[in-house]
Amino acid sequence: DAGVIQSPRHEVTEMGQEVTLRCKPISGHNSLFWYRQTMMRGLELLIYFNNNVPIDDSGMPEDRFSAKMPNASFSTLKIQPSEPRDSAVYFCASSHNTGFRAQYFGPGTRLLVL
Amino acid sequence: GQQLNQSPQSMFIQEGEDVSMNCTSSSIFNTWLWYKQDPGEGPVLLIALYKAGELTSNGRLTAQFGITRKDSFLNISASIPSDVGIYFCAGLAAGGTSYGKLTFGQGTILTVHP
Repeated sequence: DAGVIQSPRHEVTEMGQEVTLRCKPISGHNSLFWYRQTMMRGLELLIYFNNNVPIDDSGMPEDRFSAKMPNASFSTLKIQPSEPRDSAVYFCASSHNTGFRAQYFGPGTRLLVL
Repeated sequence: GQQLNQSPQSMFIQEGEDVSMNCTSSSIFNTWLWYKQDPGEGPVLLIALYKAGELTSNGRLTAQFGITRKDSFLNISASIPSDVGIYFCAGLAAGGTSYGKLTFGQGTILTVHP
């Protein structure tokens, strides 16, 4: 079975540009999570969805960040405008439900904002 | 917020040796998860624990969910070079504002010398 799919795997952009990260969760999973990983702060939860509805976006750093989940098999994380401090690895994860089941991570998108 | 204390921060061992790492928390968790992350990849789920006292094995890996629900350990027996990586514990909260959110430990960096 396919795991969580993320695209692109790498993204290099210039400050001020819009960045869109994409995620396809594992089929049948109804919870989706976006994380950011940096050396300084480790893994941080940005936002999570349950049944396509955003449940908690308290981890989204600023209004420049937005996330959508238009259907059960697709989600996007958008940064507009991007800044150098947004450089990090962004992971998407999915699970069967929000409660207490294991989360499965995608391979991540490595973002570098120049 | 909730915090997980993971130890040790790093380990340097000889191939064939056993490894033990643990996580403790001041809060109760309903689920404990152990992940391994290789360079350039996303965290991969190793073991999921859902009941206090549960002891689960996955090949050479064994993990336990502490009786108090505030701790967990991971053991690796007869280490091999491909065990190299960063190991993370993660807990899913029992309730409150952290419901459904994974809390990660700081990670244990494992180096195995052939």
